[in-house]
Amino acid sequence: AQSVSQHNHHVILSEAASLELGCNYSYGGTVNLFWYVQYPGQHLQLLLKYFSGDPLVKGIKGFEAEFIKSKFSFNLRKPSVQWSDTAEYFCAVRGTGFQKLVFGTGTRLLVSP
Amino acid sequence: DAGVIQSPRHEVTEMGQEVTLRCKPISGHNSLFWYRQTMMRGLELLIYFNNNVPIDDSGMPEDRFSAKMPNASFSTLKIQPSEPRDSAVYFCASTLLSGANVLTFGAGSRLTVL
Repeated sequence: AQSVSQHNHHVILSEAASLELGCNYSYGGTVNLFWYVQYPGQHLQLLLKYFSGDPLVKGIKGFEAEFIKSKFSFNLRKPSVQWSDTAEYFCAVRGTGFQKLVFGTGTRLLVSP
Repeated sequence: DAGVIQSPRHEVTEMGQEVTLRCKPISGHNSLFWYRQTMMRGLELLIYFNNNVPIDDSGMPEDRFSAKMPNASFSTLKIQPSEPRDSAVYFCASTLLSGANVLTFGAGSRLTVL
């Protein structure tokens, strides 16, 4: 069965700092990978996804993620964060051809102005 | 499209009472998921349906939990009897099986059991 680890539970940054959130997954086959964001009091929204092709994926709001197959990782990055990026970020994995989407425990990001 | 619609948004109830959470998926979507979010466990998949049929309910915590999908536009998650440890935010999500299969989430139902 697939699983996801997000090692950073809480991250605090100042505006304009660079962001990298770690995500490692465990699964023996090919995968689809996702990052979702949950702004305070809101529902989960898709930031970006990787299915195949270019391992560097660009999403909304300046976010990107890189799939490194050899490391089973899909880290999320943003060169310069804004106060409005304060949210909880979830990495998720799904075995290709399967439906069950498994989430990590999330990383709470606080960006101070 | 109004997106995935969940009701109620907030529910406060007493231990032992029956709770029913409702979900209306995006029109045309044929796969529906129920997740539970808690501080301790994060987001857990409870059950999902394809074409109104339950496919995997291995995440349902115990017999007190049940879910139904009587038609393509409506699903319920019922807890009877409720317990304080059921307090959580319950999310419903839907997708189209034949597409990229990306889940769209509802706003969630925050349940507090006293």
